[in-house]
Amino acid sequence: DVKVTQSSRYLVKRTGEKVFLECVQDMDHENMFWYRQDPGLGLRLIYFSYDVKMKEKGDIPEGYSVSREKKERFSLILESASTNQTSMYLCASSFGDNTEAFFGQGTRLTVV
Amino acid sequence: AQKITQTQPGMFVQEKEAVTLDCTYDTSDPSYGLFWYKQPSSGEMIFLIYQGSYDQQNATEGRYSLNFQKARKSANLVISASQLGDSAMYFCAMREGEGNTPLVFGKGTRLSVIA
Repeated sequence: DVKVTQSSRYLVKRTGEKVFLECVQDMDHENMFWYRQDPGLGLRLIYFSYDVKMKEKGDIPEGYSVSREKKERFSLILESASTNQTSMYLCASSFGDNTEAFFGQGTRLTVV
Repeated sequence: AQKITQTQPGMFVQEKEAVTLDCTYDTSDPSYGLFWYKQPSSGEMIFLIYQGSYDQQNATEGRYSLNFQKARKSANLVISASQLGDSAMYFCAMREGEGNTPLVFGKGTRLSVIA
């Protein structure tokens, strides 16, 4: 079974903190993605990566950065957390062809 | 312009009935893939079905089928014989081109199955 694992299910952080969301996949997928999900807005792409040390901006990259030092791990970084970054964050991975993406269980982040 | 449009924020269906969830897409790329995902209240995203732009036949997976109308740019999900466990959010998504491009999602449809 493909596994995409996110480090936390629930997270509460204070405004201004630096926040790391970690994602690990065990299927040797080239592609990894970070989405945020908000009610009524669906899933919006923050960043994605198609190779180690490569990254591409998605639709809403402002306030976020990413790191991919190893193929299996893709980290999302909130440099200075703000309340409008309170959301569900979903990590996904896929092969480089037209196959489905596999998702982690999600991290519900609350910034207070 | 939105790439994926799901016009039904919420739908109700009686148990054992069939239901169609609408999805239209916008792309000028001749090569693309269309995906449907289910998200129950637990939050996990479950892949349901895939349709490639060059596929001649509509995709089917058990009780799920995809009504693919290429000229109309629609890819509606049909769930037959609805079950209470089908109550969830459903997302339509598209990947354009070949290889390393991300999935773009619609805003979703919340399906509620009534006993």
